[in-house]
Amino acid sequence: QQQVKQSPQSLIVQKGGISIINCAYENTAFDYFPWYQQFPGKGPALLIAIRPDVSEKKEGRFTISFNKSAKQFSLHIMDSQPGDSATYFCADTGGFKTIFGAGTRLFVKA
Amino acid sequence: NAGVMQNPRHLVRRRGQEARLRCSPMKGHSHVYWYRQLPEEGLKFMVYLQKENIIDESGMPKERFSAEFPKEGPSILRIQQVVRGDSAAYFCASSSANRKAFFGQGTRLTVV
Repeated sequence: QQQVKQSPQSLIVQKGGISIINCAYENTAFDYFPWYQQFPGKGPALLIAIRPDVSEKKEGRFTISFNKSAKQFSLHIMDSQPGDSATYFCADTGGFKTIFGAGTRLFVKA
Repeated sequence: NAGVMQNPRHLVRRRGQEARLRCSPMKGHSHVYWYRQLPEEGLKFMVYLQKENIIDESGMPKERFSAEFPKEGPSILRIQQVVRGDSAAYFCASSSANRKAFFGQGTRLTVV
């Protein structure tokens, strides 16, 4: 049973700070590693994704770092803003189905 | 270009009734996933379908739940004889072969 372990469960960051969320996976047959962002009452939205042949991808304030040997990837949110307050999910797409981490609830204090 | 469309957005059913949740995937997508999300919890995989085929239903409860994705029309998640514990948000996602999945806004089922 493929698993994805996400940490921390919740995170409080000051406005302007860096938010870091980590994800550890087990499956080695992967296509790409996405992060999803979910606001209350909404569906998850694809935020950023990385392919396993690159170690880092940056889109605006969001960066994914990928450590293949450690089977980990992380999401960094630079200059965190109150509008970033949401739940973030990583996912493993390596099997037939996409398996999500349990989610990290981020709260950015103004 | 519409995204993944789910309806209804909210559904209230009495215990013992049937709930039908619909999902129209994005244009060009032939893969559909259903997930359940309980309040304050993560997304739990239920079933993965391609057109007319169930590929993986390992997350589906053994009884009362079924899913289909016919050649024409939306994917349907059907819950028979609903119980209070079925109250949750049900999300559908679709993808093409590259498996970059896009989600609908969900159907919030309340069983009273």
